[in-house]
Amino acid sequence: DIQMTQSPSSLSASEGDRVTLTCRASQNIGRYINWYQQKPGRAPKLLIYAASSLQSGVPSRFSGSGSGTDFTLTISSLQPEDFATYFCQQSYSTLKWTFGQGTKVEIK
Amino acid sequence: EGQLVESGGGLLQPGGSLRLSCAASGFAFSSYAMDWVRQAPGKGLEWVSAINGRGDTTYYADSVKGRFTISRDNSKNTLYLQMNSLRAEDTAVYFCAKDDIVVVGYYYYMGVWGKGTTVTVSS
Repeated sequence: DIQMTQSPSSLSASEGDRVTLTCRASQNIGRYINWYQQKPGRAPKLLIYAASSLQSGVPSRFSGSGSGTDFTLTISSLQPEDFATYFCQQSYSTLKWTFGQGTKVEIK
Repeated sequence: EGQLVESGGGLLQPGGSLRLSCAASGFAFSSYAMDWVRQAPGKGLEWVSAINGRGDTTYYADSVKGRFTISRDNSKNTLYLQMNSLRAEDTAVYFCAKDDIVVVGYYYYMGVWGKGTTVTVSS
């Protein structure tokens, strides 16, 4: 099975900061990775699919990059509503998905 | 885009059984693969199971294989998860999700999620 490892597990940042989250796959997954945002008590929300495609309605301050095994999610200027937990998910193994363990973005 | 509404969660003892439902609306249900994803208290997301649009191919995480069964009724636009031999570690919020796809390249992603239903397994 493909393992997804996110780092860091948590980070503290201030409003306006540029934030970069990382996800590493245990094997080459091409660009088959998605990113989700989850706030407490809420369902996950899709941000980025196919490594770098922005989901409709998601602010342009969110961007994704990478291919192969190493991927990043960048928030160019952190806003108050961005404090949440972010999960990566591989979509390489069709209909046998795996998630990373999550990165919690907290207020400094 | 669509809407998903889960139901059927509850409190039950270890070894018990439960069937979750997920009612879909606003999209051509039979055209899409569907998933169940769970989240234990204070933990991350765990993919549980998936089923293709026709309902004839299913997939399971190793942690639930042989105990859980995913199915769908396309005439009722409803997804199900039959959970047997439940354990304390199955305690979680269970979400259903719709698998959207970019056909060029077969890029799948979970574009629509329900709000979840809570399953608690405790003696």
